[in-house]
Amino acid sequence: DAKTTQPPSMDCAEGRAANLPCNHSTISGNEYVYWYRQIHSQGPQYIIHGLKNNETNEMASLIITEDRKSSTLILPHATLRDTAVYYCIVRVATGNTPLVFGKGTRLSVIA
Amino acid sequence: GAGVSQSPSNKVTEKGKDVELRCDPISGHTALYWYRQSLGQGLEFLIYFQGNSAPDKSGLPSDRFSAERTGGSVSTLTIQRTQQEDSAVYLCASSPKSGGNTEAFFGQGTRLTVV
Repeated sequence: DAKTTQPPSMDCAEGRAANLPCNHSTISGNEYVYWYRQIHSQGPQYIIHGLKNNETNEMASLIITEDRKSSTLILPHATLRDTAVYYCIVRVATGNTPLVFGKGTRLSVIA
Repeated sequence: GAGVSQSPSNKVTEKGKDVELRCDPISGHTALYWYRQSLGQGLEFLIYFQGNSAPDKSGLPSDRFSAERTGGSVSTLTIQRTQQEDSAVYLCASSPKSGGNTEAFFGQGTRLTVV
């Protein structure tokens, strides 16, 4: 079972920042927060992951609260191509555990 | 290759037939995962390989499903006596190693339709 809670859908105007929230109140100290997205009819695409510090890469920023019970994925300047289902996943740092996907957030970027 | 490759991209089969789905992971990746996604649904974990062994088979939905991996590379997912409820997109992913600090890269999937 997924250990995260995300809103089922969100809209964002093109060119604006998209802020996607995720609750993971039962996260353990040795679990990472991962974000993936799935554009229609494609395989999931890795975006970013982090443990407790905020992370930034060329695609997005990940803001994790100090208590680690929630996080926000930020797409700084959303484009129409960012329309996708975004999945927030927690995954233990060691051992052989697969990514467990929940229902995600369907982000619609509107022109 | 540059990414995870799956074949065929589409497969239509008659109910009761066996099918084999193939996954070529990224070269050197030791971990390999199979998922399936039914229409309009989320991703369902099926099985995981570390090298050639499968420590986690918990997601296989029935004994009609099996998977193997040879040479630490190519993996085959076999579905025997296919049923209509097996219709889905079957996705494969690989990662350089197991564990939570490693990203997994997904293929584009095989769309299986059982008629």
